[in-house]
Amino acid sequence: AQTVTQSQPEMSVQEAETVTLSCTYDTSESDYYLFWYKQPPSRQMILVIRQEAYKQQNATENRFSVNFQKAAKSFSLKISDSQLGDAAMYFCAYRSARSGANSKLTFGKGITLSVRP
Amino acid sequence: GAVVSQHPSWVICKSGTSVKIECRSLDFQATTMFWYRQFPKQSLMLMATSNEGSKATYEQGVEKDKFLINHASLTLSTLTVTSAHPEDSSFYICSAPRTGAGDTQYFGPGTRLTVL
Repeated sequence: AQTVTQSQPEMSVQEAETVTLSCTYDTSESDYYLFWYKQPPSRQMILVIRQEAYKQQNATENRFSVNFQKAAKSFSLKISDSQLGDAAMYFCAYRSARSGANSKLTFGKGITLSVRP
Repeated sequence: GAVVSQHPSWVICKSGTSVKIECRSLDFQATTMFWYRQFPKQSLMLMATSNEGSKATYEQGVEKDKFLINHASLTLSTLTVTSAHPEDSSFYICSAPRTGAGDTQYFGPGTRLTVL
């Protein structure tokens, strides 16, 4: 079975600074997807970024980028120029590629990010 | 982007009553939907996978007779909490995968259930 580990329960960053959220996972599969989801106080889950395991290039979305290390099974999220609106709980998630979009997501425990003004 | 709605957003009920929560994919069809439960400051716990036209698949430890799931159409799945008790109070979230849109799962806004 796949597992996702987020070992840091909380992190804090100064506004406009950069912060990196860590995530490791364990799987025996070679084809899969990795995601970072954001859950603000409204509790609406929002997709931040996704990475296909077969792609070597790290995904980027504006201020958000990932460092995907497949051999090390590591998938960290870097938030640049942090903004107050980035304060939220962030979840790392894994999905097998076997059943396409209908495969279930495996979530990490999440990390609470606070942004200091 | 794809939109998933949930109704109601907040419900309070008396112990022993049943509560139905609806999950709809508004602009796409979903043969599969997922139901999660989330406690404060914790991760999402998958309860079951809802399959259109067939029985739901429940995760280990989830009582299928207590949490009834019906996937009535390609855009609607319902979760009914039967004979609710205070320990069922939680935040329930559904998600629906949209094929062809990066195979991404889109989440509903959640339903807060409080059982008195």
